[in-house]
Amino acid sequence: QVQLQESGPGLVKPSQTLSLTCTVSGGSISSGGYYWSWIRQHPGKGLEWIGYMFHSGSTYYNPSLKSRVTISVDTSKNQFSLKVSSVSAADTAVYYCARDDARGWFDPWGQGTLVTVSS
Amino acid sequence: QSVLTQPPSVSGAPGQRVTISCTGSSSNIGAGYDVHWYQQLPGTAPKLLIYSNSNRPSGVPDRFSGSKSGTSASLAITGLQAEDEADYYCQSYDSSLSGYVFGTGTKVTVL
Repeated sequence: QVQLQESGPGLVKPSQTLSLTCTVSGGSISSGGYYWSWIRQHPGKGLEWIGYMFHSGSTYYNPSLKSRVTISVDTSKNQFSLKVSSVSAADTAVYYCARDDARGWFDPWGQGTLVTVSS
Repeated sequence: QSVLTQPPSVSGAPGQRVTISCTGSSSNIGAGYDVHWYQQLPGTAPKLLIYSNSNRPSGVPDRFSGSKSGTSASLAITGLQAEDEADYYCQSYDSSLSGYVFGTGTKVTVL
């Protein structure tokens, strides 16, 4: 059973870069057939898809965030990562990693990690 | 950026049936893209409830059902239980936005 776990700093200063890692267990990112995604949820708000990547390294981002987002993979560690540059308070959210079945749904999800942008 | 509209809240007594609508447009649901549903219990991550409009993953009770028609989709919960109290989100793909989109979310309250 595949499980995902986010990790990274819970506090980031404005204008800096937010960096998170998702560790996948119970399955290999390299096995293919899935997209590995990041999704965020602003406090008390709904869900926003950030982007995904394929195990080969190809990526696709939400156009509204594309200029600031980078998703990368480390197959040797079975991890994929998210970087969001030039953050502001508007980037304060719970960040989830999830597996995209490549048919459009997300399952499973990590437990989520709260990132607060504040000086 | 929610382009899928859901009612903010629905409520029902235990045992009743409630439905949650998810209204989209010709660039998402109406374009034929599948709709998926998630349940988010308080303080937890979303969990896949329905995929591809009407399919339940293993372990999801058959009290939950989904349907899609035109530019809208619906999630029905029959035999409402206290444990169903949660937020529910629909999700699809939007060709105009070139990405996945989620609904605005609906809070289900069991009276």
